[in-house]
Amino acid sequence: ETGVTQSPTHLIKTRGQQVTLRCSSQSGHNTVSWYQQALGQGPQFIFQYYREEENGRGNFPPRFSGLQFPNYSSELNVNALELDDSALYLCASSPSSSDTQYFGPGTRLTVL
Amino acid sequence: RKEVEQDPGPFNVPEGATVAFNCTYSNSASQSFFWYRQDCRKEPKLLMSVYSSGNEDGRFTAQLNRASQYISLLIRDSKLSDSATYLCVVNPDYKLSFGAGTTVTVRA
Repeated sequence: ETGVTQSPTHLIKTRGQQVTLRCSSQSGHNTVSWYQQALGQGPQFIFQYYREEENGRGNFPPRFSGLQFPNYSSELNVNALELDDSALYLCASSPSSSDTQYFGPGTRLTVL
Repeated sequence: RKEVEQDPGPFNVPEGATVAFNCTYSNSASQSFFWYRQDCRKEPKLLMSVYSSGNEDGRFTAQLNRASQYISLLIRDSKLSDSATYLCVVNPDYKLSFGAGTTVTVRA
């Protein structure tokens, strides 16, 4: 076990709704990254947070936003959900931005 | 061009066989390289880091060729439990860039 937890495990939403996914990092890790994995694809980088600041962003629209809290837990928010947002959302924590990343079990989001 | 490209397979091999596959990456400035393993509908798990000199971990051997920008993974004496998708991962900066994965199925 990596010590990274995510909630909820599964989620079903309808198009246009908003969703918040949560991640609890491994103890001692101050960096969290979020990834989207569509079926049959590798994970795609959404963004990374380091000590509560966004440290980098992938090619995702602004309706994907995030937060990192002082205890290094994190949230991913997605507004105006689209059908193509259906995917496995993974968070990964690491001791710093350049270290090995350890993944949580993911949240499987279905948008109808 | 994708940052990381892999042969999707599937590679269907008998127990005890050797299987090998590669991936290529586009960013020549990449510094860190990994193989992750992903079981169906689960999270990716680090299998091994890949070093310039090549490295081995039990039945698994990884090689890096910086000149040609490819990474390889070889699995010897395949076990049923090796059935999974193997993700080639490159870390050019703060993010991980994943290939789409190579599926390996080991049959009894």
